[in-house]
Amino acid sequence: DTGVSQDPRHKITKRGQNVTFRCDPISEHNRLYWYRQTLGQGPEFLTYFQNEAQLEKSRLLSDRFSAERPKGSFSTLEIQRTEQGDSAMYLCASRPTGGRVEAFFGQGTRLTVV
Amino acid sequence: TQLLEQSPQFLSIQEGENLTVYCNSSSVFSSLQWYRQEPGEGPVLLVTVVTGGEVKKLKRLTFQFGDARKDSSLHITAAQPGDTGLYLCAGAWDMRFGAGTRLTVKP
Repeated sequence: DTGVSQDPRHKITKRGQNVTFRCDPISEHNRLYWYRQTLGQGPEFLTYFQNEAQLEKSRLLSDRFSAERPKGSFSTLEIQRTEQGDSAMYLCASRPTGGRVEAFFGQGTRLTVV
Repeated sequence: TQLLEQSPQFLSIQEGENLTVYCNSSSVFSSLQWYRQEPGEGPVLLVTVVTGGEVKKLKRLTFQFGDARKDSSLHITAAQPGDTGLYLCAGAWDMRFGAGTRLTVKP
């Protein structure tokens, strides 16, 4: 297992276009998290899955954002009608069930909306 | 959601100096985690603190969890350029992060 992988690493898109990012977690991890991170800030929580169930979604997340984890394995994060303010690093993390276990992060997808 | 405040936001020091960064909340945490993030990479776990008053050491890094489990600190002794990065604290259960302390250690 090579850890959490995210694809693509970089994405440049025009304002108004839709984008989709993929996250492949560590295979035995049933919890998966998405975060958004802007320069100089900590990761901002977006949403969280346990297996295929989306258990929590940030109230800060607009309706343009949607995430899925259809078979409890990989996950996708889609942003519709992108805006310049969506430009950020999007991070995915996975970890096993439990409150004190380590979360492993991918290298992120850097989105630039022009 | 339990909010975490980290201070200072930025810290720039010379190699060999000692430093302490802080993570504070008005809420009680059952456990906290510290992560370090380098540019272009995701955060990597340094430590999990669980018990109030707990002190954990990781080489030159010393982590302390407050007695009331509302705050934590990270002390680095004799900082090295390799310690440069963004230091983040997070609730170990809810996986919410503070804004981080960006540390630069100059040779």
